[in-house]
Amino acid sequence: QLLESGGGLVQPGGSLRLSCAASGFTFNIYGMSWVRQAPGRGLEWVSGISGSASRRYYADSVKGRFTISRDNSKNTVYLQMNSLRAEDTAVYFCAKDRRMTLIAVDNWGQGTLVTVSS
Amino acid sequence: QSALTQPASVSGSPGQSITISCTGTDSDVGGYNYVSWYQQYPGKAPKVLIYDVTNRPSGISNRFSGSKSGNTASLTISGLQAEDEADYYCSSLTSSATLLFGGGTKLTVL
Repeated sequence: QLLESGGGLVQPGGSLRLSCAASGFTFNIYGMSWVRQAPGRGLEWVSGISGSASRRYYADSVKGRFTISRDNSKNTVYLQMNSLRAEDTAVYFCAKDRRMTLIAVDNWGQGTLVTVSS
Repeated sequence: QSALTQPASVSGSPGQSITISCTGTDSDVGGYNYVSWYQQYPGKAPKVLIYDVTNRPSGISNRFSGSKSGNTASLTISGLQAEDEADYYCSSLTSSATLLFGGGTKLTVL
């Protein structure tokens, strides 16, 4: 099970940190990703991190503004979002990968809504 | 990186078969056998239907099947049912070790 939290309303230029608490599987042997979906739009992969946290990856649209991290002792993955823009408004899904590195998502959380607006 | 190319919409009648295509490049779909397909109902999280191009997770109906030829992957749904009306997305690993999704296809069951 994947349970996201931390979404909400934030002003342009502001920051927000999303959390995703995982349970029911051995957390530290699987890669994790954040995938977002803007209202009425398709899925967009945002960022991913390997099981050991040694490798982190970002979409060009968020590179330099978002940071992904994980705490394997707490079975939790985070997404720190800075310099937020209106176009970052979306439901953010936490997603578990099939392997330690990123190859494909096989399980999804229910999502948390982030709204960037003044 | 641009999204993988999917048709915006497809439709079919109950009992028929439909196919949704997902076109990428040598750097994603064509370069790896890590294509997945997801089904998403409005307001819900996606659910995996196919992984590694052709494999179905346990519990997924054998009415769903996947294939790939060159830079294009395909999802076929046979024996179409009303409950199949949903949005469908493909995804692929890329040469940058990132994931890339398709733009999504809305399936209408007539």
